[in-house]
Amino acid sequence: ELKVEQNPLFLSMQEGKNYTIYCNYSTTSDRLYWYRQDPGKSLESLFVLLSNGAVKQEGRLMASLDTKARLSTLHITAAVHDLSATYFCAVRKGGGADGLTFGKGTHLIIQP
Amino acid sequence: EADIYQTPRYLVIGTGKKITLECSQTMGHDKMYWYQQDPGMELHLIHYSYGVNSTEKGDLSSESTVSRIRTEHFPLTLESARPSHTSQYLCASSESGYPQETQYFGPGTRLLVL
Repeated sequence: ELKVEQNPLFLSMQEGKNYTIYCNYSTTSDRLYWYRQDPGKSLESLFVLLSNGAVKQEGRLMASLDTKARLSTLHITAAVHDLSATYFCAVRKGGGADGLTFGKGTHLIIQP
Repeated sequence: EADIYQTPRYLVIGTGKKITLECSQTMGHDKMYWYQQDPGMELHLIHYSYGVNSTEKGDLSSESTVSRIRTEHFPLTLESARPSHTSQYLCASSESGYPQETQYFGPGTRLLVL
């Protein structure tokens, strides 16, 4: 059974600081996704990572994937208040099934 | 921006009522999904479809049913709503054949069963 674990689950940080969110998954998968969710809103796609060593960057966010370690990271550089949200990683199922298995999410608060 | 729509956005209903949550997408995506999300928690897959006349159950045991008669439409039905069905329901779609197969999510339906 595929399991996805994120840590930390809650993070409060100050503007201007750097931090990393970790996502571990239990079985091999060919796709890993990062999504953002604002309170009361739906999910916004941030990154799709397909291969070992993949790195993608958008603004202050950078995501990477290590398929051998089954680990993805989402790094925040010089955080700003607008990045406050819940961040989910999700892994595509395999073995003939479809859909995504999500982590519990990281609730990120960035304070001025 | 993805064009995926859900109605109603909010629904308050009594126990035992039959409800249908609507989901439509205008992107011509072949795959569609339903997820359930309790406030502040992770999403759980409850149903998905590869295309017309295809429906599959997801991870989370659900008393709901789905149908896929048209490519763009993937409604979810609860025959008899119960308080345990109170949650947010999110519909998503994706297009197979592309490496990313990004799933685009609708705005969600918040359901409260009294």
